[in-house]
Amino acid sequence: GQSLEQPSEVTAVEGAIVQINCTYQTSGFYGLSWYQQHDGGAPTFLSYNALDGLEETGRFSSFLSRSDSYGYLLLQELQMKDSASYFCAVIFSGGYNKLIFGAGTRLAVHP
Amino acid sequence: DGGITQSPKYLFRKEGQNVTLSCEQNLNHDAMYWYRQDPGQGLRLIYYSQIVNDFQKGDIAEGYSVSREKKESFPLTVTSAQKNPTAFYLCASSPSGQISYEQYFGPGTRLTVT
Repeated sequence: GQSLEQPSEVTAVEGAIVQINCTYQTSGFYGLSWYQQHDGGAPTFLSYNALDGLEETGRFSSFLSRSDSYGYLLLQELQMKDSASYFCAVIFSGGYNKLIFGAGTRLAVHP
Repeated sequence: DGGITQSPKYLFRKEGQNVTLSCEQNLNHDAMYWYRQDPGQGLRLIYYSQIVNDFQKGDIAEGYSVSREKKESFPLTVTSAQKNPTAFYLCASSPSGQISYEQYFGPGTRLTVT
């Protein structure tokens, strides 16, 4: 089976840096995606890691270590608008395109 | 503008009634998906379709049905057999032939069954 673990809540202040971790257990692992979802809204894609290492996209970066079955999302220069839920999702390569989502981390950014 | 539309945004039904949720996309994507989201939880896959006239069950398909008669449309029917249908339903799409690490989501339909 597949499972992902990420913290349920994280709190930070404006301008700070926060790291949201994700550990996974899955067969047929292909890559790790991150999505952002504001309350009541649709998830939006943030980043994807297929290979080990760091991927940077503006203020957001994502890291993957396949040997450790671990990844993280790094948010820098936090802004109030970054308050949202963040989901890691693994690509399951069991013969069809399938995303398996973690339960999400709720990030609260305070002034 | 290209995107995915879901209607209605809010839907209320009485227990025992079937209800159909609409999902339309004009992104020319072959693959479409239906997810269910419950409070404080991640997204769980209900059904997915890679091409027209073909679809596969996801992890929680019981009590749901779908059709894919057109590339642009992937409606989801929540039947009376679904024991706990109240949830936030999200439709998504992705281009075919690619690992769907990037899926495009619609705004969702919040279904309440009483």
